[in-house]
Parts: sequence; C-alpha cells; structure tokens
Amino acid sequence: AQSVTQLDSQVPVFEEAPVELRCNYSSSVSVYLFWYVQYPNQGLQLLLKYLSGSTLVESINGFEAEFNKSQTSFHLRKPSVHISDTAEYFCAVSTGSLDDKIIFGKGTRLHILP
Amino acid sequence: NAGVTQTPKFQVLKTGQSMTLQCAQDMNHNSMYWYRQDPGMGLRLIYYSASEGTTDKGEVPNGYNVSRLNKREFSLRLESAAPSQTSVYFCASSEARTGGFREQYFGPGTRLTVT
Repeated sequence: AQSVTQLDSQVPVFEEAPVELRCNYSSSVSVYLFWYVQYPNQGLQLLLKYLSGSTLVESINGFEAEFNKSQTSFHLRKPSVHISDTAEYFCAVSTGSLDDKIIFGKGTRLHILP
Repeated sequence: NAGVTQTPKFQVLKTGQSMTLQCAQDMNHNSMYWYRQDPGMGLRLIYYSASEGTTDKGEVPNGYNVSRLNKREFSLRLESAAPSQTSVYFCASSEARTGGFREQYFGPGTRLTVT
C-alpha cells in the first residue's frame, strides 16, 4: 500500500521569501506523484505532476518539485511567494492502476505574511 | 463546459435525517469519486465508480451509499446522518485508461453540518 506524509501542517512565510513544502511517500511499486492546490472555499486543482523522465517538474505559476527516489521525497518549492499563493497544498501518490485511486497527504496550509 | 458540479453547496441536517449529495460531470469521464475532507485529515476516499454500472468502497465507506445513475451522475447518500459525518464532500472524475496517469477533476464541494 502507498502512503504520503506531509511533515508540516502549516507553513508561515513572508511575501517574496522562498518556501519549501515537504512531502515523503512510501510505496513498494513505482508511483506517480502530484501536488494539488486548494484555494479558500474551492475544490482541488492539479498544480504539477511527476510521471516519468526529468525528476524536476514545474508549474505555470513558479512552483517546482523534485522527485528524489532515494529519499522517497517530492518536496514543493517556490523561490518567491505572493499573497495569491495562500492556499492548502496536498501531496498525493498513485500507482496508475486501472482503478487509479489517489492517496492524499493531510495537507500543508501556506500562510503568506505581508 | 461546467466540469464537475455538485449540489447543494451547503446543507445542515439533524442527526438521523437522510439526504443525497448530487454530482455531475460533462467531460465524458468514465471514473467518478467521492471524498470527504476533514481538518488535518486530508482527503479520504469514500466510494468510487470506475465505470458506469460499477461502484467500489474506498477508505471510509461506512454510513454512506452511492449510485452511479448514468455516465454523467454519481450520487452519495447518507441514510441516517451522524455528527461524525460533518465534513466537506468533494466529487471528482477522471478518464478511464488501461494504465498510466489520469488527472482527477474536482467539484467545488458540499459543506455538510450534522447537528
């Protein structure tokens, strides 16, 4: 079975400062890895995904995540955050099996301080 | 394209009452899912339907039933609501393929309070 651990439930960071949201996973088989974002009072949206190939993946709004197989990690980073990045971020894992269930972490709430 | 829609947006129930949460998608997806989101717990899968006519239990199915009415619609029923079912419920859908990644698209959620 797969599992996902997000080490921080909340991360406060000043605007324009860098941020890292940590995610570790556990699986006995190859997995796909994702970060979803949930803005206040909205559903979840896919932010970025790792399927195969380059271990560094990027989103259109400046976030990036690096798949590290030896450390079983998929940390999310942004070099300079904005107020609009205030949201809850969920790391998730899937095996890509036919029923394609996704296992979500418990989420990290990103607070941007002015 | 509305994507995934859910009704109602908000609902308050008394313990023991029943209700059905509705979900519909217009993306011609085969697979649909119901999740609940609780503070500090992330999203937990209640039930899913890999294709029209099939449903399967997820991580937390107790107290819920589902119906895949047709390819577009997937409803979640609480037969006898309990305070422990106070949560935000999300419906999602994805394409069906024989393997590989299929992005799940989420609805806006239903906020349910059981008193």
